[in-house]
Amino acid sequence: QKEVEQNSGPLSVPEGAIASLNCTYSDRGSQSFFWYRQYSGKSPELIMFIYSNGDKEDGRFTAQLNKASQYVSLLIRDSQPSDSATYLCAVIQGAQKLVFGQGTRLTINP
Amino acid sequence: GAVVSQHPSWVICKSGTSVKIECRSLDFQATTMFWYRQFPKQSLMLMATSNEGSKATYEQGVEKDKFLINHASLTLSTLTVTSAHPEDSSFYICSAPTGASNQPQHFGDGTRLSIL
Repeated sequence: QKEVEQNSGPLSVPEGAIASLNCTYSDRGSQSFFWYRQYSGKSPELIMFIYSNGDKEDGRFTAQLNKASQYVSLLIRDSQPSDSATYLCAVIQGAQKLVFGQGTRLTINP
Repeated sequence: GAVVSQHPSWVICKSGTSVKIECRSLDFQATTMFWYRQFPKQSLMLMATSNEGSKATYEQGVEKDKFLINHASLTLSTLTVTSAHPEDSSFYICSAPTGASNQPQHFGDGTRLSIL
């Protein structure tokens, strides 16, 4: 079992719709969870981070965490073509060590 | 905000050459930095943790004699790929935490390494 799992996609969503990205993790002791966006050929950029169960909203983005189910998700409302990218879920393990999922490739269709 | 600068952004060199990549924290001090490698269509894999003033910690399967890491100051870590071969061609990215251990890390822009 991989430490952090994501559906690799591709996930195709029409412009203006909600994109839903999911991630599960294996280490029940994990406390810190991150979503990064990566455009082709670029390094990751932080979108959201969440530490507590429930929802965290920032603009069009909402991160959801359920530690009992070991599940974290990212919702993107009013999807734009510029949101087309690979989204990486990451979890901190041990001393600041980031473990990444394989990433979900998202395409927003105009 | 906090910025991590990585240089060079692109390197093309012949097989057998050693290549040095620099990672700098521009407006904060980083006692720890991380080096990742990303092959095409794959995710980031942690290679090693760079520790200021002490030896780096390498992940399982990463050759420490091939990937030399030096963290000589609180703002600079370097990764040297020694005697590089085509299979070392990859996207190398560094990161640094700016606060507590659970805080987000900031990534450099990455270095595209191509070995001919």
